[in-house]
Amino acid sequence: AQKITQTQPGMFVQEKEAVTLDCTYDTSDPSYGLFWYKQPSSGEMIFLIYQGSYDQQNATEGRYSLNFQKARKSANLVISASQLGDSAMYFCAMREGRDSSYKLIFGSGTRLLVRP
Amino acid sequence: GAVVSQHPSWVICKSGTSVKIECRSLDFQATTMFWYRQFPKQSLMLMATSNEGSKATYEQGVEKDKFLINHASLTLSTLTVTSAHPEDSSFYICSASEDSYGYTFGSGTRLTVV
Repeated sequence: AQKITQTQPGMFVQEKEAVTLDCTYDTSDPSYGLFWYKQPSSGEMIFLIYQGSYDQQNATEGRYSLNFQKARKSANLVISASQLGDSAMYFCAMREGRDSSYKLIFGSGTRLLVRP
Repeated sequence: GAVVSQHPSWVICKSGTSVKIECRSLDFQATTMFWYRQFPKQSLMLMATSNEGSKATYEQGVEKDKFLINHASLTLSTLTVTSAHPEDSSFYICSASEDSYGYTFGSGTRLTVV
């Protein structure tokens, strides 16, 4: 079974608007972490935001926020005020376990294209 | 911030030869490193987890005799693709365990086997 599911292969958004990228996960481990990464065409993986399973508040980092709904096992990424430079692949990832000695498993990704 | 240096960034090799990719943590000690491969327009697939001083743990379906991983020190892990074939052409990227919850990725290596 898929541990991390991203159902949107591609998304368009108008510059300056907000966009939500979906991510659902599946785990029975009570301690886990959820990550979002951006991968531009150069291939590097850019860390965007992190949410721990025990975190009470939704994570925010500048224009990025994570809509964490634990009961629904979803961790959607919201990008506000989209910029042309946001066009890239976005990956949701999950770590099962308490720290980063545990492996990170990635979803299939969403390609975001920001229109001028 | 933490930096992981990965070399080479791209390599072209002949079929049947071996290629070594290095992943080095520059300003922190990485007890655990991870190796991924990524085919075009696909996700990152974990190949193996390496811990300093011990044998790597390979994911199901990954040939450990073909993809040799060595993690000899707290700052260096290497992936050697042995007897490379065109189907091994891919983007390989390493990740180092940075602190209690973070991961730092290398910039990746694009391998082309001709």
